[in-house]
Amino acid sequence: DTGVSQDPRHKITKRGQNVTFRCDPISEHNRLYWYRQTLGQGPEFLTYFQNEAQLEKSRLLSDRFSAERPKGSFSTLEIQRTEQGDSAMYLCASSQLAGEWNEQFFGPGTRLTVL
Amino acid sequence: AQSVAQPEDQVNVAEGNPLTVKCTYSVSGNPYLFWYVQYPNRGLQFLLKYITGDNLVKGSYGFEAEFNKSQTSFHLKKPSALVSDSALYFCAVRGQNTGNQFYFGTGTSLTVIP
Repeated sequence: DTGVSQDPRHKITKRGQNVTFRCDPISEHNRLYWYRQTLGQGPEFLTYFQNEAQLEKSRLLSDRFSAERPKGSFSTLEIQRTEQGDSAMYLCASSQLAGEWNEQFFGPGTRLTVL
Repeated sequence: AQSVAQPEDQVNVAEGNPLTVKCTYSVSGNPYLFWYVQYPNRGLQFLLKYITGDNLVKGSYGFEAEFNKSQTSFHLKKPSALVSDSALYFCAVRGQNTGNQFYFGTGTSLTVIP
């Protein structure tokens, strides 16, 4: 299966620690998205990459959050000085560049728990 | 402001009966509308999309959705529900003028009763 993969699937950390998540998109997909999903809510857009360029960032993405996609393939999302409010499911999705409105393919998510 | 509303947190339907999951949206410019399904412990899966053209779009697993511009709605439908359709359903919209941000509803939990 060559779907979107995310690692780790679960992360428990203490408040104030830094965490990093990885997303491997479908290989031919140029576009990559990060979302955050809390219980009872739909995914909330965080940021978007086209190849290695980070083209959009949500206002939700505070300065403690940083995302990279250095070679236009996998991406990392780092949260510095985690807070309990950061506890959520972090979702990655990818889509093809060709075809402006192609649907996104989602990974299984990384569930973050901040104690 | 861009937004999606799914007015029903929970929908229950008997197996074999038709089902409808409601979605309304607000977006600047033409809307691009999507439905996703989420099964427990699995990622969101694409069901169908409306970009342009025929207002009735057909998607995976026998689902279809009808775009209604005047009512700004994009309701998900299926003529005959299966127990295996029980899942969490999300409507999403991207506006023609809203960059690459997708806006998701809060989800509707569908339970199909045998």
